[in-house]
Amino acid sequence: GQNIDQPTEMTATEGAIVQINCTYQTSGFNGLFWYQQHAGEAPTFLSYNVLDGLEEKGRFSSFLSRSKGYSYLLLKELQMKDSASYLCAVMDSNYQLIWGAGTKLIIKP
Amino acid sequence: ETGVTQTPRHLVMGMTNKKSLKCEQHLGHNAMYWYKQSAKKPLELMFVYSLEERVENNSVPSRFSPECPNSSHLFLHLHTLQPEDSALYLCASSQDETGDYTGELFFGEGSRLTVL
Repeated sequence: GQNIDQPTEMTATEGAIVQINCTYQTSGFNGLFWYQQHAGEAPTFLSYNVLDGLEEKGRFSSFLSRSKGYSYLLLKELQMKDSASYLCAVMDSNYQLIWGAGTKLIIKP
Repeated sequence: ETGVTQTPRHLVMGMTNKKSLKCEQHLGHNAMYWYKQSAKKPLELMFVYSLEERVENNSVPSRFSPECPNSSHLFLHLHTLQPEDSALYLCASSQDETGDYTGELFFGEGSRLTVL
């Protein structure tokens, strides 16, 4: 079966760096996505990786290793507003999005 | 005006009621989706419409009935629901350029459904 694994919850300190990992086993691969979802709000697109390596976008970076079935989302200079759930999703060979259950990130002052 | 709007934001219904969820997208996209989001579970794709035609129905119970009258509007008709159907129902849209899904979805804020 197809599976996406990510930690259920993480805690970090304001101003610090946090890395949220995502591992996947899917039927084929057509890209990996990260979405952010604040409580009670819509998920919003953060990043897309289809080739191995690091994609940087401001304070957020996303890394992909296709051979390892692994990605991470790196958040730098954490701010209180970064408290949210982070959803990892992989597009399989049928162009279906397979979703992880999300990682709830709690930022403490 | 937000790109994808869902109404109502909250809905409480009994198991014998009939209600509908509405979604409207203002982004000019050609694909729309219904997802179910339950606590600590992955998003579950329920229905996909591309160019107003249903292309996916992931074995969703018939008590959920989608309707897509045009590329901007999507409905989810609810009938004889069960308490386990209580969840957040998210609508999303995307621009399908090649006949395959691009994956970048634009979500509405969801309709929180409680079935008593």
